[in-house]
Amino acid sequence: QVQLVQSGAEVKKPGASVKVSCKASGYTFTNYGINWVRQAPGQGLEWMGWISAYNGNTNYAQKVQGRVTMTTETSTSTAYMELRSLRSDDTAVYYCARGYSSSTRADYWGQGTLVTVSS
Amino acid sequence: QSVLTQPPSASGTPGQRVTISCSGSSSNIASNTVNWYQQLPGTAPKLLIYSNNQRPSGVPDRFSGSKSGTSASLAISGLQSEDEVHYYCATWDDSLNGWVFGGGTKLTVL
Repeated sequence: QVQLVQSGAEVKKPGASVKVSCKASGYTFTNYGINWVRQAPGQGLEWMGWISAYNGNTNYAQKVQGRVTMTTETSTSTAYMELRSLRSDDTAVYYCARGYSSSTRADYWGQGTLVTVSS
Repeated sequence: QSVLTQPPSASGTPGQRVTISCSGSSSNIASNTVNWYQQLPGTAPKLLIYSNNQRPSGVPDRFSGSKSGTSASLAISGLQSEDEVHYYCATWDDSLNGWVFGGGTKLTVL
C-alpha cells in the first residue's frame, strides 16, 4: 500500500531553516511527484509547491518562492522540503502528498510534521 | 483569505442530506476539475472526491460531487455522526499556476 512517512516535529528560531523529509513506499517513486502543503494552527490548507521525482522539476507557490527548496533522493525514495528564513507565521503542520503531475490531484498524504517557529 | 470560498460551517441531522458549496472563478473552478478532501482532527487530509465527481476506492457512495461553471458542491447523504469533520475543496488555478483551496467547512451532525 502507498505510504508517505514524514520526519518528526521541529522547533526553530526565527531566521533559521528547517528541512522536512518524506519517505515514500508502496509505489514506483519516480512515476509520481510530491506536493508540499502546510496548515497553520486552526487554519486551512496552503499549497507550497510540487517536485517531480522523475527529473527534479519544481513548481513553487509565489508566496514561498525564494525561501523554499524541494528535492528528491531516488535511491531512498525520499522527498525533502527546506524552508529558510523562518518567521513565526511559518508555524504549521507540513504535509507531503503524492501527485502525478503538478496539476493533478494529491491522492496519498503523509502524516504531517509540525514545525514551530519561536524565539 | 482563501481563493476558493466555502461556508465555514454546515449542519444536518442523522440520515439527512447536506451539501457544501465551493465558489471560485474563471481561472480555477471554471477551467479545471475540483477535488474534495475530508480531514479528521489531528490527521492528514484524505481524498474524498476527485475530478469533480469521482470517488476513490473505499469512499462510500453517500459522498458525491458536482461542478457547474465557477462553483462546485459536495453532497453527503445519509448523514452519520462520523461525518462531523472538516471538508476542503481544491482545484488548480491557471493564473497562479498552483493549487488553491477553500477555507474549509466544519460539518456538524446535530
